[in-house]
Amino acid sequence: GDSVTQMEGPVTLSEEAFLTINCTYTATGYPSLFWYVQYPGEGLQLLLKATKADDKGSNKGFEATYRKETTSFHLEKGSVQVSDSAVYFCALSGYNTDKLIFGTGTRLQVFP
Amino acid sequence: DGGITQSPKYLFRKEGQNVTLSCEQNLNHDAMYWYRQDPGQGLRLIYYSQIVNDFQKGDIAEGYSVSREKKESFPLTVTSAQKNPTAFYLCASRLQISGNQPQHFGDGTRLSIL
Repeated sequence: GDSVTQMEGPVTLSEEAFLTINCTYTATGYPSLFWYVQYPGEGLQLLLKATKADDKGSNKGFEATYRKETTSFHLEKGSVQVSDSAVYFCALSGYNTDKLIFGTGTRLQVFP
Repeated sequence: DGGITQSPKYLFRKEGQNVTLSCEQNLNHDAMYWYRQDPGQGLRLIYYSQIVNDFQKGDIAEGYSVSREKKESFPLTVTSAQKNPTAFYLCASRLQISGNQPQHFGDGTRLSIL
């Protein structure tokens, strides 16, 4: 069945460092891909999405490109801030399906 | 502003007690979902509903029950049969059953055992 694999955390960075969080997927057909962010004690917020191959989703300085050839959707940010510390979830949804498949989440810790 | 409201934010359950978590959305979304999140873990799907008066079991439905009498409401009951209910519960909704629509989440309810 469909699945999402994320790199294990925590990812620990200094402020202004470059961020990459890896996400790969297994799915039939052409899924849509999402990144969500969860701050402590809160629900998940949609960060960005991409619905077809080569699409680039972007928001708040974060980017991810839908790479069908490598079945990947890696999250990147050029310069992280302390306020980016959170847990990041990669997720996929097959076309005409009713559920999202989530990765296990990657905790990001940014220190000043 | 449109959104999803979960209440209460914190809830305590005694042994043998059923408790109900509220989830209301004013986004006019068709589908609604309940997830359980344990500390440091990902999300596990409990129940979901695509239309009023219909719902399906997710991956961990045992010990839980739901109803969907109105489009905007999807309450979750944690029954006494759920022996380990301590967790963070998240409700979500989605505009339609189409893969390119994201789910939108509430702020969660944290349930603990007294």
